[in-house]
Amino acid sequence: GQQLNQSPQSMFIQEGEDVSMNCTSSSIFNTWLWYKQDPGEGPVLLIALYKAGELTSNGRLTAQFGITRKDSFLNISASIPSDVGIYFCAGDSNTGNQFYFGTGTSLTVIP
Amino acid sequence: KAGVTQTPRYLIKTRGQQVTLSCSPISGHRSVSWYQQTPGQGLQFLFEYFSETQRNKGNFPGRFSGRQFSNSRSEMNVSTLELGDSALYLCASSKRTGANVLTFGAGSRLTVL
Repeated sequence: GQQLNQSPQSMFIQEGEDVSMNCTSSSIFNTWLWYKQDPGEGPVLLIALYKAGELTSNGRLTAQFGITRKDSFLNISASIPSDVGIYFCAGDSNTGNQFYFGTGTSLTVIP
Repeated sequence: KAGVTQTPRYLIKTRGQQVTLSCSPISGHRSVSWYQQTPGQGLQFLFEYFSETQRNKGNFPGRFSGRQFSNSRSEMNVSTLELGDSALYLCASSKRTGANVLTFGAGSRLTVL
């Protein structure tokens, strides 16, 4: 199946620092989604992107849909302890509502 | 607006048994997708149902099956359980049209002993 490369795999940062993570795919996507998952829970949608070049913010979070349509990145500014969790990217090539997920970025925020 | 509801949240089975998991989507969402999440493999797509028909299928053996009812509720079944089937099974619903997103339930944690 489709492979999404997500990096970094894990991050350990100080509270207040900015965070950046990205996803790349081997083929073109029409939709990019970013999720956060807390232990024992399902992923929760953070940001949805539908157009190449689109830049969308949700509070301290900003995500962009890459121009090539093969990548996306997520930035978190001024991190706080509740940002701890695993962040996933997901893409849909519009072949029928089949989303592929990245391997996740585990974020640890040190107070 | 109620979210996606999955039952049961936790269950323990032994090898060779079978299990059925249930998912009630968000009202108005007609598509239900199932994912298997394990530490080593991440989120793997199992299948998607829309209007009671399987529309997409991932690369899983035939022991994994599902169905969808006329009210869009979905069930997935795993027969002849193996140790490697231990995982968090996530259900996600969507409208499948327009600005499409997946909304996930909290998952069903299956442990196979």
